[in-house]
Amino acid sequence: KNQVEQSPQSLIILEGKNCTLQCNYTVSPFSNLRWYKQDTGRGPVSLTIMTFSENTKSNGRYTATLDADTKQSSLHITASQLSDSASYICVVSLRLTGGGNKLTFGTGTQLKVEL
Amino acid sequence: GAVVSQHPSWVICKSGTSVKIECRSLDFQATTMFWYRQFPKQSLMLMATSNEGSKATYEQGVEKDKFLINHASLTLSTLTVTSAHPEDSSFYICSASPITGGRGELFFGEGSRLTVL
Repeated sequence: KNQVEQSPQSLIILEGKNCTLQCNYTVSPFSNLRWYKQDTGRGPVSLTIMTFSENTKSNGRYTATLDADTKQSSLHITASQLSDSASYICVVSLRLTGGGNKLTFGTGTQLKVEL
Repeated sequence: GAVVSQHPSWVICKSGTSVKIECRSLDFQATTMFWYRQFPKQSLMLMATSNEGSKATYEQGVEKDKFLINHASLTLSTLTVTSAHPEDSSFYICSASPITGGRGELFFGEGSRLTVL
């Protein structure tokens, strides 16, 4: 069964600190992995998208890593800010026979940054 | 970046009425759009894939007669919740990928919160 599991489920950190969110998946055949940030009551916004050949990708203070062998990804947030408080969703794209992709969503990590 | 707009952003309706939610790609064309629903503190759940000019593809367990999807053009898909009931109250989100350009990037709308009284 194709699954995407994220940990921790929730996390509270102090402003300025770093944190790392984890994503493990069993999706196969793998096409790409995406990290999204979703503010409460808003739609998800893309942070990074990585194919199997990409090990790391950065977007400002966000750095995503991918190990396609172990099927693990992480999202590292550096020097957190209050505005980083949101749900972070890992989405893995399954390559379909006959073309196209199917997305499998993780349940998300709820991050709260406090003063 | 590419923009996907949803309207309305929130709606309150009486039980038994129908509600239409629009999803527009403002600066790109999309042959395929996706509709999701999201309950509090849960992740997005794909409801259906909206295909321009043809019937939508529904996920298992989603009633096609309950959630009517129309993809009339390359920039507009609509979701109509028919005979809405309180259990249909949820956050509905659409997404779309540009036909050309990008890297299969998927852009999400801002979501529409439906409350059925």
